[in-house]
Amino acid sequence: EDKVVQSPLSLVVHEGDTVTLNCSYEVTNFRSLLWYKQEKKAPTFLFMLTSSGIEKKSGRLSSILDKKELFSILNITATQTGDSAVYLCAVGWGSGNTGKLIFGQGTTLQVKP
Amino acid sequence: NAGVMQNPRHLVRRRGQEARLRCSPVKGHSHVYWYRQLPEEGLKFMVYLQKENIIDESGMPKERFSAEFPKEGPSILRIQQVVRGDSAAYFCASSPPTGQRLGTQYFGPGTRLTVL
Repeated sequence: EDKVVQSPLSLVVHEGDTVTLNCSYEVTNFRSLLWYKQEKKAPTFLFMLTSSGIEKKSGRLSSILDKKELFSILNITATQTGDSAVYLCAVGWGSGNTGKLIFGQGTTLQVKP
Repeated sequence: NAGVMQNPRHLVRRRGQEARLRCSPVKGHSHVYWYRQLPEEGLKFMVYLQKENIIDESGMPKERFSAEFPKEGPSILRIQQVVRGDSAAYFCASSPPTGQRLGTQYFGPGTRLTVL
């Protein structure tokens, strides 16, 4: 069965800490891996990764994909209270002309002042 | 450039009633996806539509649920004869037409359906 597993499920850190969120997957016909940030509203797109070993960066956030070991990590450096959210990992998969995503259960990050 | 819009944001229905959820994609996006998020669970794919076509409905329950994306107007997710188990957050996402089969999906704020 295709699945996406995130770890840890929850994390509490203090401002300034660096965190690493993990996402592993077992998906047939892998196409891409996406990271989203979900606060009390719409999941907000962060990164889309399709190739192994190429780091994507946006400010304090960065992510990398390993298609051989079937995982991705999301790093957040110098965390701020505004980083508190649920971080979702999703894998785009399937054959034919379909665009569906399989989501992990999310990692809840709480950053304390 | 407005993002994905969904309405209503909150919807309360009694068992047996119909629920209609609307989604207007980002302007210029021709692909719409619906996902359901049950309490304490992750987002689950329901259906993928392009204008006037259902491309993939493998995640839709076999009964009571239907979706459309007409030539004009928003995409509609319809749930007939709602039951308590339908209470969830329903998210719509859209993506642009691209050369790739899978484009980045941008999500709306969701509709939170409560069935009494």
